[in-house]
Amino acid sequence: NAGVTQTPKFQVLKTGQSMTLQCAQDMNHNSMYWYRQDPGMGLRLIYYSASEGTTDKGEVPNGYNVSRLNKREFSLRLESAAPSQTSVYFCASSGIQGNTEAFFGQGTRLTVV
Amino acid sequence: GENVEQHPSTLSVQEGDSAVIKCTYSDSASNYFPWYKQELGKGPQLIIDIRSNVGEKKDQRIAVTLNKTAKHFSLHITETQPEDSAVYFCAALYYGNNRLAFGKGNQVVVIP
Repeated sequence: NAGVTQTPKFQVLKTGQSMTLQCAQDMNHNSMYWYRQDPGMGLRLIYYSASEGTTDKGEVPNGYNVSRLNKREFSLRLESAAPSQTSVYFCASSGIQGNTEAFFGQGTRLTVV
Repeated sequence: GENVEQHPSTLSVQEGDSAVIKCTYSDSASNYFPWYKQELGKGPQLIIDIRSNVGEKKDQRIAVTLNKTAKHFSLHITETQPEDSAVYFCAALYYGNNRLAFGKGNQVVVIP
């Protein structure tokens, strides 16, 4: 039982490049989330998916897109990376939308130069 | 709107002493308040949570108290140990959009 798995763990992009962060959970959770963590800013929600087939914007969605491919997988895409998107990205999942324990992945450290 | 404030931002304690972190929230309809611990290089992990129908919950050296009238909840760590050194996040569930809003985190350093 792996929990929440994120790939890659580290990535360096040049400004303007695109990439997709992958996330998969094996706990049969309905809800999945993408957060970014910046020094002094805590965890800020980018997008979330309450169930398969639905996605909603969070606090800081600009510059990102998401896909809930199936119940297990929720990907985050940066179409044209900017230095302001340098951050640590966390994927999380929970059973009932927000109302039970959220499990986090190990994070992806992204640097945009 | 959703707002969870967490303070102090950093806290240093001597090993064996107690540590207390306090959070305040803005939405009186919130009913679920988890605390997460994040160790260096890892994702946050739930350590304890409390729901609005109770005022206190304890799990070994960790306890959480909730004051719904004042809209604040606190994490208490007793007999601190070096492995308690980490960043701690509080969160509150908001009914309006059914999402968890996180505080900015608190760096706890336990001095041996």
